[in-house]
Amino acid sequence: DTTVKQNPRYKLARVGKPVNLICSQTMNHDTMYWYQKKPNQAPKLLLFYYDKILNREADTFEKFQSSRPNNSFCSLYIGSAGLEYSAMYLCASSPRLGEAEQFFGPGTRLTVL
Amino acid sequence: GEQVEQRPPHLSVREGDSAIIICTYTDSATAYFSWYKQEAGAGLQLLMSVLSNVDRKEEQGLTVLLNKKDKRLSLNLTAAHPGDSAVYFCAVRGPNYNVLYFGSGTKLTVEP
Repeated sequence: DTTVKQNPRYKLARVGKPVNLICSQTMNHDTMYWYQKKPNQAPKLLLFYYDKILNREADTFEKFQSSRPNNSFCSLYIGSAGLEYSAMYLCASSPRLGEAEQFFGPGTRLTVL
Repeated sequence: GEQVEQRPPHLSVREGDSAIIICTYTDSATAYFSWYKQEAGAGLQLLMSVLSNVDRKEEQGLTVLLNKKDKRLSLNLTAAHPGDSAVYFCAVRGPNYNVLYFGSGTKLTVEP
């Protein structure tokens, strides 16, 4: 199976409530990424895991958390959702850190009301 | 940091025509250039990639051109067909090799 899976595909959340998005891959890739994509904007890298090491982008450091309990799974956690978090969240993986090609999941569309 | 501009945001062509999408980038140290395709309801899929030592690459009706002097990357779909209708993204890798910088996407519609 060479696909990246994301759950749920659609998520509705209330302002101030937590949100947890899940990504999985069974390709034994050592690096997993989370991107945020808003309409008419480029996908923006939020963070990535190399093995068990989490790297977060400076401007999103306090807004998103993540965990990777094993090689196959990676979550994206928002502690208190705001309206500005409404977006498509894309998960990707790559075989090795520094490997340029990334394999993307179909995304989770998050709507915060 | 790297800035990537992609145009046009929307492109409509007739079947059999060519379609050209262009990206410009700002960092002269950029070394890896790629194009992704996203079909409705699916994830981004890598179409083609080139390194900075390649000016032109052709594969299966697609041509990628890299002009390092002008910091411009283009994707040319020759003889487009309706199955090519999708959103296309350019993505480049800058000095921080962990990070891909994406363009904002081009929605291509190929009409029969």
